[in-house]
Amino acid sequence: GAGVSQSPSNKVTEKGKDVELRCDPISGHTALYWYRQRLGQGLEFLIYFQGNSAPDKSGLPSDRFSAERTGESVSTLTIQRTQQEDSAVYLCASSLGFYRGDQPQHFGDGTRLSIL
Amino acid sequence: KNEVEQSPQNLTAQEGEFITINCSYSVGISALHWLQQHPGGGIVSLFMLSSGKKKHGRLIATINIQEKHSSLHITASHPRDSAVYICAVLFDGGSQGNLIFGKGTKLSVKP
Repeated sequence: GAGVSQSPSNKVTEKGKDVELRCDPISGHTALYWYRQRLGQGLEFLIYFQGNSAPDKSGLPSDRFSAERTGESVSTLTIQRTQQEDSAVYLCASSLGFYRGDQPQHFGDGTRLSIL
Repeated sequence: KNEVEQSPQNLTAQEGEFITINCSYSVGISALHWLQQHPGGGIVSLFMLSSGKKKHGRLIATINIQEKHSSLHITASHPRDSAVYICAVLFDGGSQGNLIFGKGTKLSVKP
């Protein structure tokens, strides 16, 4: 079966432009996560969607970042007025739903974003 | 501040060696994950545990809740085990989705 799919795989854009990153989770997975990994750094949580509940946006670094999810399917992460410090790999993961300690997260291959 | 510390940061081993990677955290947790990130960047979930021990093939993960410590062991290591191993925890009282990640342990297994 298909895994978590992210697009584009690479994105190069100029500072100040808006970018939109897409994540297609595994079918049936109600939980979806966005993470960021800067070069040489660890993973950082950005946002979490679970079913129809209000998303947990506590990891979004600024109001330039936003994310949406349509039902329990596709999610888009939007970065407005990109800055050079936004350069990173943006990873999406999905899981069957959150049950403490019992559900693995399945990761996509990420989108490598480079801001010139 | 809720923190996750991993050690060692880098580890080089000879093929066949027994490997241990450690993860310590600062406050109570509800779940701990071990992840593997391959050189190409792909991430695979290895284990999730909230108590005790889990084993999958040559990989063993243990957690000691009282000591706030987890270990990932690799028996009979192989060059294909070379990757970055990441510990991530869900702190008690934290957001359900907000995993806090360690900085990873880069493992290189030489033939």
